[in-house]
Amino acid sequence: AQRVTQPEKLLSVFKGAPVELKCNYSYSGSPELFWYVQYSRQRLQLLLRHISRESIKGFTADLNKGETSFHLKKPFAQEEDSAMYYCALSYQGAQKLVFGQGTRLTINP
Amino acid sequence: KAGVTQTPRYLIKTRGQQVTLSCSPISGHRSVSWYQQTPGQGLQFLFEYFSETQRNKGNFPGRFSGRQFSNSRSEMNVSTLELGDSALYLCASNAERGNSYEQYFGPGTRLTVT
Repeated sequence: AQRVTQPEKLLSVFKGAPVELKCNYSYSGSPELFWYVQYSRQRLQLLLRHISRESIKGFTADLNKGETSFHLKKPFAQEEDSAMYYCALSYQGAQKLVFGQGTRLTINP
Repeated sequence: KAGVTQTPRYLIKTRGQQVTLSCSPISGHRSVSWYQQTPGQGLQFLFEYFSETQRNKGNFPGRFSGRQFSNSRSEMNVSTLELGDSALYLCASNAERGNSYEQYFGPGTRLTVT
């Protein structure tokens, strides 16, 4: 079965420090991986997807098929990055996402 | 373009009742997905509709059903409500991107079952 694991429920770093949110997945085929973010009192929104290989708001994520990981990274955290982050997987072109449990990121001033 | 809208935003029901939730996707999007979000189970896929047909289904009991209309608006229905159905129900409007999709989420309907 497809599964997404985010090992950290909570992550706290200081402003200006690097941040890495971990995501591991299990799927034998070629998945599509996403990171979604939910800021306080806002709706869930797409942050980035591995296919586009973009950097959004300074965040990047690389799909490592050997380690089945899709970690989210940012070299210098900002206070506005505080939010709930979800890693998600879709497969076979299906319009269904399998979500991890989420990581609440807090950036301390 | 207007975003995804869901109505109602909040709902309180009693065990045994049934409920219908509505979702209006972004104009031009033909696919709608539904998710249930709870503190214990997180975000779980319910079903997905494309052009009025259910195309994908998650692992939920038959009490959970849905439909989609010709204007792409979608409804989901939960019959014989249980306390465990209390959750935030999210609708996502799916935009075609080549061989894949991007999902745009609505604000959700918070259902409380007492």
